[in-house]
Amino acid sequence: NAGVMQNPRHLVRRRGQEARLRCSPMKGHSHVYWYRQLPEEGLKFMVYLQKENIIDESGMPKERFSAEFPKEGPSILRIQQVVRGDSAAYFCASSPSLAGGTSTDTQYFGPGTRLTVL
Amino acid sequence: DQQVKQNSPSLSVQEGRISILNCDYTNSMFDYFLWYKKYPAEGPTFLISISSIKDKNEDGRFTVFLNKSAKHLSLHIVPSQPGDSAVYFCAASVNAGKSTFGDGTTLTVKP
Repeated sequence: NAGVMQNPRHLVRRRGQEARLRCSPMKGHSHVYWYRQLPEEGLKFMVYLQKENIIDESGMPKERFSAEFPKEGPSILRIQQVVRGDSAAYFCASSPSLAGGTSTDTQYFGPGTRLTVL
Repeated sequence: DQQVKQNSPSLSVQEGRISILNCDYTNSMFDYFLWYKKYPAEGPTFLISISSIKDKNEDGRFTVFLNKSAKHLSLHIVPSQPGDSAVYFCAASVNAGKSTFGDGTTLTVKP
């Protein structure tokens, strides 16, 4: 059973370009979370999605950032018009559903995408 | 306002001794607590967790203690091994939602 996959592992963009980060959850997991880690800091929650639904986006910046988790395919975190302050490691995590459809508490993380904005 | 705090950025321990990593939280709604271990250039790896209805959970060399009245939890590693050297993150969640992480403690176990 493959773990959470993220690609690319490293992404370099110039200011003003768009960054697309992909996350494929573990097989059978229908809950996806995105976190951002700035240097010397912990992971900060960004967004929580289930298939085709955004459950909690309280950690997402109001502008330039968007996320989706379509019925088919990976979850995508999209950053438009990147700025230097967007340089960070972006981690995706997934979790399985309980019988009622809610998530379990334990999240399984991917290796991260390290975004560098020049 | 940081709801989960790990006040020690680093900890150095001799191999074979006990490592104690501490974590404090402010949100009394947290009902689930987790510890993750992270190596450089990798994602966090789940280590051990505890529900708020318990005060202790043990898994091999790892034990997590929860003191709800003090809003404090700790991770004990006995005996510590050089391979345990990593960054340890404490995290907490409410009702299986998003996890709120501390800033991490870098553990170094010296041979």
